[in-house]
Amino acid sequence: RKEVEQDPGPFNVPEGATVAFNCTYSNSASQSFFWYRQDCRKEPKLLMSVYSSGNEDGRFTAQLNRASQYISLLIRDSKLSDSATYLCVVNPFGGGYQKVTFGTGTKLQVIP
Amino acid sequence: GAVVSQHPSWVICKSGTSVKIECRSLDFQATTMFWYRQFPKQSLMLMATSNEGSKATYEQGVEKDKFLINHASLTLSTLTVTSAHPEDSSFYICSGSSSDTQYFGPGTRLTVL
Repeated sequence: RKEVEQDPGPFNVPEGATVAFNCTYSNSASQSFFWYRQDCRKEPKLLMSVYSSGNEDGRFTAQLNRASQYISLLIRDSKLSDSATYLCVVNPFGGGYQKVTFGTGTKLQVIP
Repeated sequence: GAVVSQHPSWVICKSGTSVKIECRSLDFQATTMFWYRQFPKQSLMLMATSNEGSKATYEQGVEKDKFLINHASLTLSTLTVTSAHPEDSSFYICSGSSSDTQYFGPGTRLTVL
């Protein structure tokens, strides 16, 4: 089983739609979780950290389910500019140990 | 967020030459920097962890003599691809860590002819 697994997509959704991605991780001791966004031929940019209690930033909501070892990202009212690849990132140790593992990414295409 | 720069942003070189890529943290000190490689339609693969003032730690399958890493200061790490070959053509990205979050440089696209 891969350390971090994501559905590669692509997810093709119309503007205004709500879309959700899941990401599963294999190391139950993992401490820190993040969602990054990567545009084509660009570097990943931090979208949001994922906290145990769940967190929201505008149209984006991230959830963590430790029991089932997955994190999710919900995007509401999708915009054309949301089209990108969304990378799930897991830090198995946290606490200053900074090596992380990337998922392969989920591609989102928002259609006019 | 923190800013990381990379130079050059793209490079084309002949097979057999060496290419040096610089990674700088502009507004924070990065005790640890990471070097990744990303092939088309694939995820980022960690190549090595670069620690200031000490030897880099390489991931399994990454040749340390081919990919030379130097982390001489808290704001600069360099990756040198020695004797580059076409199969080394890839997108090389560095990152620096600040408060448990990684911030990425804009990447260097290397094409080896």
